[in-house]
Amino acid sequence: GAVVSQHPSRVICKSGTSVKIECRSLDFQATTMFWYRQFPKKSLMLMATSNEGSKATYEQGVEKDKFLINHASLTLSTLTVTSAHPEDSSFYICSASRLRGSYNEQFFGPGTRLTVL
Amino acid sequence: QKEVEQNSGPLSVPEGAIASLNCTYSDRGSQSFFWYRQYSGKSPELIMSIYSNGDKEDGRFTAQLNKASQYVSLLIRDSQPSDSATYLCAVKRSRGNTPLVFGKGTRLSVIA
Repeated sequence: GAVVSQHPSRVICKSGTSVKIECRSLDFQATTMFWYRQFPKKSLMLMATSNEGSKATYEQGVEKDKFLINHASLTLSTLTVTSAHPEDSSFYICSASRLRGSYNEQFFGPGTRLTVL
Repeated sequence: QKEVEQNSGPLSVPEGAIASLNCTYSDRGSQSFFWYRQYSGKSPELIMSIYSNGDKEDGRFTAQLNKASQYVSLLIRDSQPSDSATYLCAVKRSRGNTPLVFGKGTRLSVIA
């Protein structure tokens, strides 16, 4: 499978600070990346679709001014959680889409566990 | 978003048995179907993709797709304790870069 990395893997921050999470496709170029959030024992929730060189498309209920997404290159997308609060504590996972034949498959990064104190 | 439904489980099978995981989807226009495995505290890992009706085998895994019945399944032969995880069914309407729609997952427990 394709390799997708995320950094950092774990972050603890104080309430009110901003946290940036990086997602990289290591062995392929990804025009599209996706950002998900997962609370304990809950399903994956899609937050936004990130397309290289254009604005992200956010899912309903996700604040675009709070969760800033930048997809500046074909191998890097970043998610910045601005003014983080304890309720933002979650497992944030990115995925990158790779073309295989005539189909696109999504590969997930290892995730970033955010704890806001 | 259209629904993807899975039995949440837990599904318990003895070691060496066949585990059968099922998934139904409501969007008849769906074209791409995936099975992901997620261990507790980890991110999902793609284990199978299937796009046409019938069976697709990869090692101990067999995915089965029936578009007429809007049904996709995953069989795990010779189940091992290391297969214990949550299995997520995911469906996509297109072949392209559109978001996956996930089921809530089935928790599988393989008992030694």
